[in-house]
Amino acid sequence: QSVLTQPPSASGTPGQRVTISCSGSSSNIGSNYVYWYQQLPGTAPKLLIYRNNQRPSGVPDRFSGSKSGTSASLAISGLRSEDEADYYCAAWDDSLRVFGGGTKLTVL
Amino acid sequence: QVQLVQSGAEVKKPGASVKVSCKASGYTFTSYDINWVRQATGQGLEWMGWMNPNSGNTGYAQKFQGRVTITRNTSISTAYMELSSLRSEDTAVYYCARARARSWFDPWGQGTLVTVSS
Repeated sequence: QSVLTQPPSASGTPGQRVTISCSGSSSNIGSNYVYWYQQLPGTAPKLLIYRNNQRPSGVPDRFSGSKSGTSASLAISGLRSEDEADYYCAAWDDSLRVFGGGTKLTVL
Repeated sequence: QVQLVQSGAEVKKPGASVKVSCKASGYTFTSYDINWVRQATGQGLEWMGWMNPNSGNTGYAQKFQGRVTITRNTSISTAYMELSSLRSEDTAVYYCARARARSWFDPWGQGTLVTVSS
């Protein structure tokens, strides 16, 4: 049981826009930044979004993050086959780091 | 380029300990925290703990308190994660990650598979 709640799966067709939600509480998302990681099959996670909506250099602007209250979302526009991966949200919770359970994105 | 390279796969018996290393390059090792995260097969990410390589200060997830120890050797820019009293449920890939602003993890090591089996 993860502290942050994500849907286990999401899907879309190439070119579509998909969103992945991440729900928490006042002690984590409600009072701290949200981070998103992408994990391609068989590889280590990679930073996708930091501080709610900031993209590291090299991450396409098709990826965007937002936060409202105790929830956050990752949006992927112009879906591509190479976006098929697991996506995890993360946040601080007191002095601990917590992750969502992950969302498996399938590109149909 | 900034890189974290971890030690190779391990097979351990229940009750034993394992020590995984994480060698940093491309940046000043003592300037950024190192965190450890594990992932059981087909499961999500689970944060284990962090260490400040400059001070040696550490913090651990309650689940692992008393079983995990994170240390470092600054002369060779290497962090270590030792997990004791291993059980089958500890079978997982263990990742180290550099923490930017003590908050977001970038980059991650390639992962080390630890298998616990009798």
